[in-house]
Formats: sequence, C-alpha cells, structure tokens
Amino acid sequence: TQLLEQSPQFLSIQEGENLTVYCNSSSVFSSLQWYRQEPGEGPVLLVTVVTGGEVKKLKRLTFQFGDARKDSSLHITAAQPGDTGLYLCAGLGSNYKLTFGKGTLLTVNP
Amino acid sequence: DTAVSQTPKYLVTQMGNDKSIKCEQNLGHDTMYWYKQDSKKFLKIMFSYNNKELIINETVPNRFSPKSPDKAHLNLHINSLELGDSAVYFCASSNYRDSGYTFGSGTRLTVV
Repeated sequence: TQLLEQSPQFLSIQEGENLTVYCNSSSVFSSLQWYRQEPGEGPVLLVTVVTGGEVKKLKRLTFQFGDARKDSSLHITAAQPGDTGLYLCAGLGSNYKLTFGKGTLLTVNP
Repeated sequence: DTAVSQTPKYLVTQMGNDKSIKCEQNLGHDTMYWYKQDSKKFLKIMFSYNNKELIINETVPNRFSPKSPDKAHLNLHINSLELGDSAVYFCASSNYRDSGYTFGSGTRLTVV
C-alpha cells in the first residue's frame, strides 16, 4: 500500500504570512497532484507535477516535486483569507490508483 | 453545467435500510470512481470503473455494490446500512491513466 504523509495537519496563520505544506512517501509516484477542498464541496485540482524536480507556479502558490518523485511541497506566499481550506496531496501509483494524504487544514486569519 | 453531479446531497436513513447514490459526469471521461471521506477528512478509494468495467475494488464490504450502466454514470448501492457507513461519499471522473480527477460535491450519508 502506498502511503502519503502530509504535514502539518493543521496550520493557522495571519494574512500576509508565508507557509509550506509537505507531502512525503517512501513510494515512487508517476505523478503528484494537489487539491483544495472547501466545506461542503469536493476537492478541486490545483496542479499536477509529473517530472522529478519539477516546479510549478500558480499565482502565489508554488508546487515542487522531489527529484525521486516520492515527495512534494506546496508553498504559499503572502497568504490571504481566501486561501483557507483543506489542502490534499495525492499520488498516482503504478496501478493508476490515486492515493490521498490526510490533508492540511489551513486557516488564514484577517 | 455541472461536470460531475451526484444525488442526493444529503441522505439520512436508519440502520438496516438499503440506499443508492447516483453519479453522472458530462466531461466525456472514460473512468469513474467512488471515494469515501471519513470524519477526519481522509479520502479513501472504494471503486473505479473504466468504460463500464470494474478496475479497482478496494477492501469494501460486499454490502456496497457499484453499477455503471454506461461510462457517464456510476451509481453506488448500499445494502443493510450500518452506523459506520456514515461518511461523505464522493464520485469522481478522469481519463484513464491521466492525472487530474474531477470530483462531485459529495453525498453526506448519516445512518441513525
């Protein structure tokens, strides 16, 4: 079973601060996806990283895939209250099964 | 237009009942999934169908039976509901072997 460990589990910060969320595994994934989920809704795909060492930017969000394709990070610059939500990483395994981490609940206070 | 729609949004039922959740996608994807999200927000895959063929069947009680009449629909039928079945169930779709899932907005099942 491929497991993904996400940290931290909870994060509460002030508007304007920077933060990083980590997603680690002992398994290799063909791709790593990040989702954001708001209360009462399903997860929404933010980005997919495929190549080891790949870095993708989405406005104030920077996603990185580790060289060995076992880990990933999400960095948010100058967080805003609208960034509040549950951030989920998910790895696509060799069996094409998408396995999710347990999520990071981010709260950005005004 | 809703890409992945599931009904109902909320379902409250008594133990022992049988219930169904329906899911439809209009994205033209060939693969559909059912995920269960527990009270701690952990998402775990239950089933996956590719072009109406079952390709993933995790360790799920056989009280849960998925049915895919065509590649745009994947329904979930649950027999003899138990308290532990209470959770949010998400339907999702994608193109097989392609990353990027589109999720529905979930069905919150409460068994009393």
